[in-house]
Amino acid sequence: GEDVEQSLFLSVREGDSSVINCTYTDSSSTYLYWYKQEPGAGLQLLTYIFSNMDMKQDQRLTVLLNKKDKHLSLRIADTQTGDSAIYFCAERSDSGGGADGLTFGKGTHLIIQP
Amino acid sequence: DAGVTQSPTHLIKTRGQQVTLRCSPKSGHDTVSWYQQALGQGPQFIFQYYEEEERQRGNFPDRFSGHQFPNYSSELNVNALLLGDSALYLCASSFHTNTGNQPQHFGDGTRLSIL
Repeated sequence: GEDVEQSLFLSVREGDSSVINCTYTDSSSTYLYWYKQEPGAGLQLLTYIFSNMDMKQDQRLTVLLNKKDKHLSLRIADTQTGDSAIYFCAERSDSGGGADGLTFGKGTHLIIQP
Repeated sequence: DAGVTQSPTHLIKTRGQQVTLRCSPKSGHDTVSWYQQALGQGPQFIFQYYEEEERQRGNFPDRFSGHQFPNYSSELNVNALLLGDSALYLCASSFHTNTGNQPQHFGDGTRLSIL
């Protein structure tokens, strides 16, 4: 079945770059997403990448996709205290009929040290 | 432009009761998905509604049912509540296109506690 794996915690110093990694198993994944969740809130869509792309950059965010190894990463440049949150990787498979329920990892807690 | 709105924000029920959660999609969106997020876990897909029909379902029992209305809003119903149903229930909306759905946008969720 489908599975998405992430490390549970990442600690970085303010101003450094953060790299959050994710692996997935479903080879029919069409889109891969990164969502951010702050305490007591829902999920905020950060960025996403289509499976035929290798990289996507959006301001401080860079997404890298290695489709051969089924590995996705999110790099946050110049990490700030406001980036402290849980980051979820999610994949969408081509299940046919246009349906697209997402499969999520357990999330990576990003901890910012001053 | 209102985003995805969910009601209520918090709810307390007892085992065996029934609950209905509500979701209004983001303006312009026609597809609604529901997810269950247990404490410390990632969201788990429950089902997705489009054109007032359930078109995909995750690994959840029949106690979980839903509905989509002509205005695209949606309800999630859970019968015979169990302690394990305590979770944050998230609604997400998206826009269906012929080349595939646009990304899903989430509401802030309903926190359901079962006593």
